[in-house]
Amino acid sequence: DTGVSQDPRHKITKRGQNVTFRCDPISEHNRLYWYRQTLGQGPEFLTYFQNEAQLEKSRLLSDRFSAERPKGSFSTLEIQRTEQGDSAMYLCASSLSKVMTGNTIYFGEGSWLTVV
Amino acid sequence: TQLLEQSPQFLSIQEGENLTVYCNSSSVFSSLQWYRQEPGEGPVLLVTVVTGGEVKKLKRLTFQFGDARKDSSLHITAAQPGDTGLYLCAGDVYTGTASKLTFGTGTRLQVTL
Repeated sequence: DTGVSQDPRHKITKRGQNVTFRCDPISEHNRLYWYRQTLGQGPEFLTYFQNEAQLEKSRLLSDRFSAERPKGSFSTLEIQRTEQGDSAMYLCASSLSKVMTGNTIYFGEGSWLTVV
Repeated sequence: TQLLEQSPQFLSIQEGENLTVYCNSSSVFSSLQWYRQEPGEGPVLLVTVVTGGEVKKLKRLTFQFGDARKDSSLHITAAQPGDTGLYLCAGDVYTGTASKLTFGTGTRLQVTL
């Protein structure tokens, strides 16, 4: 399977603990995105990388959230001191941006976080 | 921030019926994508439309991008239970240096026998 893969798929953690999610994008894709989705809502943009550079961060990404893509390949999303409001599905996506054909983004299966 | 509104939010129909889902915005998009999402899974890409007025067909699904690239529609002919899911439109603004996808509110479709 050469799609976007995320790990772990499910995580239950106690409030106040730190959690880290990993994303492996499609190999030739230069852009990597993180989104968050809660029940009944569409995905909300968190941040994205062009190669290893983090180009944009949403206001949703508080100081407790940090994302990295150190070598321009896989990425990690860390949440420190988790709160119950952080419970959501965290989606990773990647794309190979092309001006004339659009920026088609492919999603992974998501990482479910439950903070208890 | 671009706001994409989808309508209807919920749709329950019987097998064999036709339906149309609308995606509207006041913003212009470089491209627009439609996804289908099942519970507990990530969104799966259905189509990307880039040119204003473009129409794409995917079996029983027909996608149209508005002439002004501000709106789109998804038409399903002869719906089947397998079409059940959350349909999401997402618009992309590409400035040459920055790009992100903004999602609509979603349309939850249920097709019953």
